[in-house]
Amino acid sequence: KAGVTQTPRYLIKTRGQQVTLSCSPISGHRSVSWYQQTPGQGLQFLFEYFSETQRNKGNFPGRFSGRQFSNSRSEMNVSTLELGDSALYLCASSLMRQGAMAEAFFGQGTRLTVV
Amino acid sequence: AQKVTQAQTEISVVEKEDVTLDCVYETRDTTYYLFWYKQPPSGELVFLIRRNSFDEQNEISGRYSWNFQKSTSSFNFTITASQVVDSAVYFCALSEASTGANNLFFGTGTRLTVIP
Repeated sequence: KAGVTQTPRYLIKTRGQQVTLSCSPISGHRSVSWYQQTPGQGLQFLFEYFSETQRNKGNFPGRFSGRQFSNSRSEMNVSTLELGDSALYLCASSLMRQGAMAEAFFGQGTRLTVV
Repeated sequence: AQKVTQAQTEISVVEKEDVTLDCVYETRDTTYYLFWYKQPPSGELVFLIRRNSFDEQNEISGRYSWNFQKSTSSFNFTITASQVVDSAVYFCALSEASTGANNLFFGTGTRLTVIP
C-alpha cells in the first residue's frame, strides 16, 4: 500500500512569490491535515480537510490556504511568501472511523526555502 | 488550553542501554488521544502508538513500551536495549475531541542519539 506522497520534496522561492504544495493521501483515506515544522515554532497544525471541506484550521494568516479534491488529494497554497515561511511542510492522512480516532500517517514533507 | 511538554531536548545513550522519553500533557477535555511519532533524518513522521484517554493500559511492542498515567498526565516512552537505528527525534502529541481529533498538538521533541 503506497504511503502519503508529497510533491515536490524541495522548493526554493523568492519572497513575495506564491507556492502550491501537493499531497496524495493513502488510498481510502479521506482526511488530510497539513502541518508546518520550523526550528523555532516546532510542529504546528495548519488545517484539515475532509470530503473536500475544511474542517479545522490552525492559527495561521490568510496567506495560507488549502483545498481538497474529490479524489482526496490536497493542495496547500501560500501567497506573498515571507522569509519566515521557510519550513518543512508535512501532510498527514487518516482513515476516519465511526466513533474512533484513527492514527495519522505522514508524508516525507516538502522543504520550502524562501530567499 | 492544551499543551504537550517534552522536557528532554536531547538524550545520548550507549547502544544496548534502556532509555525513557518523558511526555507530560495538559488538556481540559475528557476525551483525548495521545501519540508518539518518530522523525528520522529523512523528515517523515513515523507513527508509533496511539492511546485514548479511556485506556490507561500500558503497552509493549517489541523493544518499545509506553506508560500512560492519567494521575500525573504523563505518557512516557521507553526503548529497551537501544540500537543505533533508534537515533531520531521523537515527538509526543495530543489531540482532543473538542478541537478536532485530527488536529495534533505536538511537543517540542526529544532528539535521541544512540552511540555505537
